[in-house]
Amino acid sequence: IAGITQAPTSQILAAGRRMTLRCTQDMRHNAMYWYRQDLGLGLRLIHYSNTAGTTGKGEVPDGYSVSRANTDDFPLTLASAVPSQTSVYFCASSAGDPGSGANVLTFGAGSRLTVL
Amino acid sequence: GQNIDQPTEMTATEGAIVQINCTYQTSGFNGLFWYQQHAGEAPTFLSYNVLDGLEEKGRFSSFLSRSKGYSYLLLKELQMKDSASYLCAVRDSNYQLIWGAGTKLIIKP
Repeated sequence: IAGITQAPTSQILAAGRRMTLRCTQDMRHNAMYWYRQDLGLGLRLIHYSNTAGTTGKGEVPDGYSVSRANTDDFPLTLASAVPSQTSVYFCASSAGDPGSGANVLTFGAGSRLTVL
Repeated sequence: GQNIDQPTEMTATEGAIVQINCTYQTSGFNGLFWYQQHAGEAPTFLSYNVLDGLEEKGRFSSFLSRSKGYSYLLLKELQMKDSASYLCAVRDSNYQLIWGAGTKLIIKP
């Protein structure tokens, strides 16, 4: 089934631990994104990648890192988790450049992370 | 700063019509999007407006007025499955998406 796969679905993590959220897409989309969604707030962009080999910082990048070694995979790493990183994390992708036409985002099912 | 405003929650009756408003103040404008998000699920694309006017797609329509910084999503013939959150997002001059907090729509029989 074409789309985006995120793992894990849910995770409880002790503060200070390192955690990597995985994201894989099979649509050959150029651009990929990581968002966090918190109650009462809009989706906030953490990091993005317009094409394999390049990454950029979004609105809330601190405490997070990403890599884009190939077209399909875009993992998000929390080097040392803190309770404020408790959130639902969505990976998304789009076929075109961010500025091109409708540039519709396809989202993964999300990863719910709780940092204690 | 940049801001997207939507009502937090709305209630409507099955079979009726509901209009969800979105107002925005952003650094430039390069399009407005509406997404639907069922509880516990991923957002899915509904509509895109870049020019003023109404875009119709089945039971859903979206309207844009760039001069007023205003959009609405119109849902007709409401069904129970339309119970969801509706997210408004604006693409700014840097082609970054700015998202509203979403409007939770509750449909009652």
